[in-house]
Amino acid sequence: DIQMTQSPSSLSASVGDRVTITCRASQAIGNDLGWYQQKPGKAPKRLIYAASTLQSGVPSRFRGSGSGTEFTLTISSLQPEDFATYYCLQHNNYPWTFGQGTKVEVK
Amino acid sequence: QVQLQERGAGLLKPSETLSLTCDVSVGSLSGYYWSWIRQSPGKGLQWIGEINHYGATKYTPSLESRVTVSVDTSKNQFSLHLKSVTAADAGVYFCARGAGPLLNQRGAFTFWGPGTLVTISS
Repeated sequence: DIQMTQSPSSLSASVGDRVTITCRASQAIGNDLGWYQQKPGKAPKRLIYAASTLQSGVPSRFRGSGSGTEFTLTISSLQPEDFATYYCLQHNNYPWTFGQGTKVEVK
Repeated sequence: QVQLQERGAGLLKPSETLSLTCDVSVGSLSGYYWSWIRQSPGKGLQWIGEINHYGATKYTPSLESRVTVSVDTSKNQFSLHLKSVTAADAGVYFCARGAGPLLNQRGAFTFWGPGTLVTISS
């Protein structure tokens, strides 16, 4: 299995802060990675696909980068509605695997 | 816009079989892979398995001996059966659709159901 190591597991931030979350794959996955946002009681919502392409309707403050084994999700200016848990997902090879999640909390 | 909705028994006893169905509205099952994913406090998000409209399946190795995913194209739905459940199988179960038929599209989940809570208790 491809292991996805996501960090940090949680972070505290304020509105307006720049936030960076990292995912590292245990082997190269090209750009077959998505970033998802999940709020309590809801299904994950895809923000980024193909590592760096913004899903339609997602604000441009979200940016994905990376390829191979190192990937980053950056929120340029955190907004109140961005407090949530974020996950990466690799879909390069079976079984599809998720990172452990990063909970973004209010500072 | 594709919509998915999970349904099934939410309370099971240990050793019973978990059975869930995902109803897909808008469009057919053709051309995509349809997955089951679960979320538990101990293991985060875990992909369980997938199926296409032909009935071709793939499962995560750790659950493969207990899992069956099936499809009913006439009803536009697919189902999950997980045998011999234990407390470790409790959590929220989601159905989801991949982005396309190619290998690296199947797990790119674009549409999700809202999820259904499964509790295991004697």
